Amino acid sequence: EAAVTQSPRNKVTVTGGNVTLSCRQTNSHNYMYWYRQDTGHGLRLIHYSYGAGNLQIGDVPDGYKATRTTQEDFFLLLELASPSQTSLYFCASSDASTNTEVFFGKGTRLTVV
Amino acid sequence: QQQVRQSPQSLTVWEGETAILNCSYEDSTFNYFPWYQQFPGEGPALLISIRSVSDKKEDGRFTIFFNKREKKLSLHITDSQPGDSATYFCAARGSGYNKLTFGKGTVLLVSP
Repeated sequence: EAAVTQSPRNKVTVTGGNVTLSCRQTNSHNYMYWYRQDTGHGLRLIHYSYGAGNLQIGDVPDGYKATRTTQEDFFLLLELASPSQTSLYFCASSDASTNTEVFFGKGTRLTVV
Repeated sequence: QQQVRQSPQSLTVWEGETAILNCSYEDSTFNYFPWYQQFPGEGPALLISIRSVSDKKEDGRFTIFFNKREKKLSLHITDSQPGDSATYFCAARGSGYNKLTFGKGTVLLVSP
């Protein structure tokens, strides 16, 4: 079964702080995604990538950067964190050849105070 | 602009009843519709999916009914169990696209 591991699982930072969320998948999937989940909004796509060095803009990209360093690793960067970025963040991956099921990690809960 | 809408926001049914979760979409190019199930503290996980060439997909107690003309679909959970209590997301994807658009979710509570 596909495995997507996120770290940290919980993070608290101050407004204006610098935060990096990490994600690793071990199934050689081409596609990786970062979503945020908020009550009343469901899951919203921030950024995604179809391979190392590639980055695609999602639906809610403002205030976020992302980098795909390898096939396995995808990072989400908040360089000037704001309270509006307090959320539950999910990383996910999928196989380009089938591009059907998307596998999610367990999430990172970020609080910006 | 919300492309995938779900209703109701929350639903409570008794154990053994059929729960019906609704979903509608706007983009006529959407052709793949997965439903994801999420338990507290976990990420969403694929439950069942349907492609627009079909009007029904069944997997055990879970059935998707799809109406392409009306751009609507529904998830029926028969003989609901307390273990089915979770948040259910309807999602959609179009041909040639590689990202899913999610609805806001329906929180299902099954009371014993």
